[in-house]
Amino acid sequence: GAGVSQSPSNKVTEKGKDVELRCDPISGHTALYWYRQSLGQGLEFLIYFQGNSAPDKSGLPSDRFSAERTGGSVSTLTIQRTQQEDSAVYLCASSSQLTSGRGEQFFGPGTRLTVL
Amino acid sequence: ELKVEQNPLFLSMQEGKNYTIYCNYSTTSDRLYWYRQDPGKSLESLFVLLSNGAVKQEGRLMASLDTKARLSTLHITAAVHDLSATYFCAVSWGKFQFGAGTQVVVTP
Repeated sequence: GAGVSQSPSNKVTEKGKDVELRCDPISGHTALYWYRQSLGQGLEFLIYFQGNSAPDKSGLPSDRFSAERTGGSVSTLTIQRTQQEDSAVYLCASSSQLTSGRGEQFFGPGTRLTVL
Repeated sequence: ELKVEQNPLFLSMQEGKNYTIYCNYSTTSDRLYWYRQDPGKSLESLFVLLSNGAVKQEGRLMASLDTKARLSTLHITAAVHDLSATYFCAVSWGKFQFGAGTQVVVTP
């Protein structure tokens, strides 16, 4: 498919375990974003990649959260020692260069994380 | 810090009537986006407004942008049940900032 894909779609884990969430952006999109959305809430920005580098990590809520992007494509968001407050839907989005396109973000279906 | 404020945050609409959602932002930007989110779903792009005075329309929805006033509006004409969703505006100035969202419920 041509859209943003995320895996897994659902993840249930026990408190204290580590989890990895994956995002495959639209081919050719250089920018990639991670957001978190708690039930009934807005989007909380986590981190933004331009290529493989992350110029803005300001939204990561704690040092338990980290993200990487390799080959300018796939990104992985890792949460270590998960806590119950980490339960949320994690959304990934990608966009083309703002300077050369409309810059709109295209969102993946999200990963619903539940920490028991 | 860029702030994006939407109002109202909740809007109960009667079918057939017209309504407007407002999106104010705090710094200069010439790109504004509107998204729709259905319950349990991801965000779907509705409109991209790229310049002052831009107006886009799709069906019963019309979005406009006034960069001087730092204001965008999403106008809903003759609301129907299918428009029930949460609507987000977002502004970009190198990164994206989303508003808190407006939850729209359309009732008969």
